[in-house]
Amino acid sequence: GQNIDQPTEMTATEGAIVQINCTYQTSGFNGLFWYQQHAGEAPTFLSYNVLDGLEEKGRFSSFLSRSKGYSYLLLKELQMKDSASYLCAVTKGHSNYQLIWGAGTKLIIKP
Amino acid sequence: EAGVAQSPRYKIIEKRQSVAFWCNPISGHATLYWYQQILGQGPKLLIQFQNNGVVDDSQLPKDRFSAERLKGVDSTLKIQPAKLEDSAVYLCASSFNQAGEQFFGPGTRLTVL
Repeated sequence: GQNIDQPTEMTATEGAIVQINCTYQTSGFNGLFWYQQHAGEAPTFLSYNVLDGLEEKGRFSSFLSRSKGYSYLLLKELQMKDSASYLCAVTKGHSNYQLIWGAGTKLIIKP
Repeated sequence: EAGVAQSPRYKIIEKRQSVAFWCNPISGHATLYWYQQILGQGPKLLIQFQNNGVVDDSQLPKDRFSAERLKGVDSTLKIQPAKLEDSAVYLCASSFNQAGEQFFGPGTRLTVL
């Protein structure tokens, strides 16, 4: 089967660092996306990891371990505007790719 | 570069009525997706097109939902007849190819009364 797990909700303080974890079980894994979705808006792309390791993009970094079926999104210097849902999505397949979405983690930033 | 366009943005109908949504993807994007997103959940793929062919419609309730992308560009999603549980946001997304980053439209918020 295929399964993606993320915490439902997390709370962090403005200026701090938060790590949002995502674990997955799927055959034919290709890569893992992170998307940000503000309330009432469409998801927007944050990162895509195919190889093991950490990819840094400004205040946001994403890590992948293919052997462990594990990824995390690291947000530094949190700002109030980072309050949103963060969706983990896994691609699988080799000719016809499928994208499997997690339920998302709602991140609440407090002053 | 223009983004993914969707219309209408909001729609309120009564159960058993019909409704149609329209999507215009980013120019040059071969892959088009329709998702249903219920509040508090991740997007659920309804149908995926590659040009004008269907790649995956395994989660599309085919007794009431239909979608087409006749010329490989614009797409329409129809619900006939609607049920209360169809109340959700319907998101259209497109990507250059099947493995690429997906760009989402603003979505259509459907309320079925």
